[in-house]
Amino acid sequence: QVQLVQSGAEVKKPGASVRVSCKASGYTFASYDIDWVRQATGQGLEWMGWMNPNSGNTGYAQKFQGRVTMTRNTSISTVYMELSSLRSEDTAVYYCARGGLYCSSGNCNGDWFDPWGQGTLVSVSS
Amino acid sequence: SSELTQDPAVSVALGQTVRITCQGDSLRSYYASWYQQKPGQAPVLVIYGESNRPSGIPDRFSGSSSGNTASLTITGAQAEDEADYYCNSRDSSGNHYVFGTGTKVTVL
Repeated sequence: QVQLVQSGAEVKKPGASVRVSCKASGYTFASYDIDWVRQATGQGLEWMGWMNPNSGNTGYAQKFQGRVTMTRNTSISTVYMELSSLRSEDTAVYYCARGGLYCSSGNCNGDWFDPWGQGTLVSVSS
Repeated sequence: SSELTQDPAVSVALGQTVRITCQGDSLRSYYASWYQQKPGQAPVLVIYGESNRPSGIPDRFSGSSSGNTASLTITGAQAEDEADYYCNSRDSSGNHYVFGTGTKVTVL
């Protein structure tokens, strides 16, 4: 079955960096984007960016530009999300999700994220 | 605007119908997708495109769209449908994504 498995919880100090991994299985890794979404406790979902595992192209939300880097290792079907200059507000659960396009009658005008990884808690505290 | 706005909370009696709305300018050009999230769990895709359900999603979930508003309807709500629901679509640039503010659905 299609599955995304993420790395374990992390505890970091302010100013440090964190790298979270997302290992894909059950489908052709290069055929779908991987997106990253985070959720602070009691808050909503916040989209961070995407990576195309085939080309290596990325796109980041403006809020995270300059602090986030997404990379991949195609030999092990894994995408990485690194967030630097951590601050307390970055404490959240970080999710990866497989991203796809919705197309109908030759027009692609929708997207979807499915499945999602189990989430990785990143705690930032001094 | 790049924002997607949802009502914070709605309630529905068991077996009745509830509609959750999502408003935003980008919805005039792009379909929304909808996600169900239960406490302590990762989000789950329930509707995408015009009104497509992934495998395993009950047919009581349906979607629709008109102008700048997308809707998720649960027809015959069940106790297990109690959850937070988020819409998602492209932002005004068309290159990035944005989630709605989320709606908490309570089944009475």
